[in-house]
Amino acid sequence: EPEVTQTPSHQVTQMGQEVILRCVPISNHLYFYWYRQILGQKVEFLVSFYNNEISEKSEIFDDQFSVERPDGSNFTLKIRSTKLEDSAMYFCASTGGLGNEQFFGPGTRLTVL
Amino acid sequence: EDQVTQSPEALRLQEGESSSLNCSYTVSGLRGLFWYRQDPGKGPEFLFTLYSAGEEKEKERLKATLTKKESFLHITAPKPEDSATYLCAVVSGGSYIPTFGRGTSLIVHP
Repeated sequence: EPEVTQTPSHQVTQMGQEVILRCVPISNHLYFYWYRQILGQKVEFLVSFYNNEISEKSEIFDDQFSVERPDGSNFTLKIRSTKLEDSAMYFCASTGGLGNEQFFGPGTRLTVL
Repeated sequence: EDQVTQSPEALRLQEGESSSLNCSYTVSGLRGLFWYRQDPGKGPEFLFTLYSAGEEKEKERLKATLTKKESFLHITAPKPEDSATYLCAVVSGGSYIPTFGRGTSLIVHP
């Protein structure tokens, strides 16, 4: 069964460093998303991506964040200068159609020291 | 702004003890309501999509129902492997971005 994959599973970084989180969405899906979940809190939307551009973004997704689809399979989230409060689980998701169920990856746990 | 409230926050059941989880929502124009299961340290796993009041979906010991104001996830004769956090999310209006509730943490004791 097709699934969303994410790497790395755990990333530890120093405050101020850049990190890139990677995702491979389900191959025939067209819409891609990044979410974060701070420990014990709810899943929060960051950004959606369709047709090689951002379609929606939340207030959390400020200038420190960027997304890219560098090739036909990978979808990346970059945080330019990490802050302590960026520590969270980051989930990638994809769907084949707007409003349809989204399928989530296993997540990357980001720890900023 | 869409509001999604899940109750209870936590639920402990004995194996075989059936119960229901609630997801109440306040949205303008529901497009869809989704139930997910999330195990600790893992990503949400899709369970059900409901689109209109009166709709029901079933999968093994789980049944999801939808009214105009809330959805229920009924768990019949749960087993310890059903222990997880169950998340509800809604999509509404002109945005296709889901709003998630905080989830219900379910523990089923053998």
